[in-house]
Amino acid sequence: DTEVTQTPKHLVMGMTNKKSLKCEQHMGHRAMYWYKQKAKKPPELMFVYSYEKLSINESVPSRFSPECPNSSLLNLHLHALQPEDSALYLCASSGLAGGNEQFFGPGTRLTVL
Amino acid sequence: AQRVTQPEKLLSVFKGAPVELKCNYSYSGSPELFWYVQYSRQRLQLLLRHISRESIKGFTADLNKGETSFHLKKPFAQEEDSAMYYCALTGIGGYNKLIFGAGTRLAVHP
Repeated sequence: DTEVTQTPKHLVMGMTNKKSLKCEQHMGHRAMYWYKQKAKKPPELMFVYSYEKLSINESVPSRFSPECPNSSLLNLHLHALQPEDSALYLCASSGLAGGNEQFFGPGTRLTVL
Repeated sequence: AQRVTQPEKLLSVFKGAPVELKCNYSYSGSPELFWYVQYSRQRLQLLLRHISRESIKGFTADLNKGETSFHLKKPFAQEEDSAMYYCALTGIGGYNKLIFGAGTRLAVHP
């Protein structure tokens, strides 16, 4: 399996809801990433997990909570989001240190009402 | 400051015309440069990386350290090349963040 998968494809939530985004890869990659992409803008890094430990947090608000249960899975827990958080959330993974090519999932399109 | 600059938001050409998408970067150290492409309704995918020095779908890109550029070129554009192209860089070694340029939309007309 050479793809990164993400579920759900679309998510609509209210500002008081709690939801989770899921990402999975079976390429043996040891780094996984969450990006946020607004319309017609480049992806912006949110979090990096390296060997299942959080290594980079780009000053993301605490209403976004990442979790890496194992080397193949990455979750993003959402709580009390704002309408401006509506965006495409992309997951990516990359291989061994020095192999910096990142493989992206198709994204979850999130709408916060 | 680490930065990637793509000066053109939109590049519009006719089929068969040459294409050059510009990318300049600023990075303290030795970066690794990439071109990613996002076709309509498809995921972001890697097109080229400067380390591999290969040609993909007829596209090439050469890293010019003196001019800090990594322009993407294709001698004869095809309609299927229409997409959003992002230049990106990261540090060599370790798990580092990808820094993306703003992107250039390439539109190839028949």
